[in-house]
Amino acid sequence: DTAVSQTPKYLVTQMGNDKSIKCEQNLGHDTMYWYKQDSKKFLKIMFSYNNKELIINETVPNRFSPKSPDKAHLNLHINSLELGDSAVYFCASSQFTGSNSPLHFGNGTRLTVT
Amino acid sequence: TQLLEQSPQFLSIQEGENLTVYCNSSSVFSSLQWYRQEPGEGPVLLVTVVTGGEVKKLKRLTFQFGDARKDSSLHITAAQPGDTGLYLCAGVSTGNQFYFGTGTSLTVIP
Repeated sequence: DTAVSQTPKYLVTQMGNDKSIKCEQNLGHDTMYWYKQDSKKFLKIMFSYNNKELIINETVPNRFSPKSPDKAHLNLHINSLELGDSAVYFCASSQFTGSNSPLHFGNGTRLTVT
Repeated sequence: TQLLEQSPQFLSIQEGENLTVYCNSSSVFSSLQWYRQEPGEGPVLLVTVVTGGEVKKLKRLTFQFGDARKDSSLHITAAQPGDTGLYLCAGVSTGNQFYFGTGTSLTVIP
C-alpha cells in the first residue's frame, strides 16, 4: 500500500484554467503538507494542516487553496493558473508537528501550464 | 526565511570514490534531517540528527550535526551507482517549521 498517494502524476493545462490535485495518506498522521519544487529542485512549503486546521500559510497567492475533507486527505485547488505555477507539487504527512517527526512524501504531481 | 545552503550543488564521481556534502546556515535548528530524492519520486528520509556534535552512521553514509546546530555534513564512503540522487538537508526550527536546503545532485558513474 502506498503511504502517501497523490493524483494525477502529470497535469498539463492552459493558462487561466482551474485545477485540483488530490492527496491521501493512510499512515494515520495528524499533519499534512503541500510543497512546491521548482526547476532548480528547491522545495518550498506552501501549506500545512493539523487536524483539519491550517497552521502554516507561507507567501502563497490566494489562487491556491488547500481543502481537507478529513484528516487523511489534503487536496490543493488552483484557480486561474499562470505560467509560473509550472512545477512539481509534493504532498507530505508527518505523525505530528515536531522536530523528530519525519516527513513522508508522495511521488509528486508535475504541473505544466502552457 | 531560514536559508540552508548546500555544497556542492552538483557532484559527479566514479564508483568507489568518497564524497562529502555540506549543509550550512546562519540559523540554529532544533534538529536536522537528510533526505534523498530519486527522479520521479518524493524525498525519503535518511536520518535525523538532534544533538550538537552528533554523528550517525547508516552503512556507508556518515552524518554529522555541527556543534552549534547550524550546519551538517554527509559523508559517503566508496560511493555506488545506487547512491545517485538528489540529497536534501532540512532544518527544523524551534517553531517546528521545516526549511529545506538548496540540494546536492549526486551522480555516481559505474
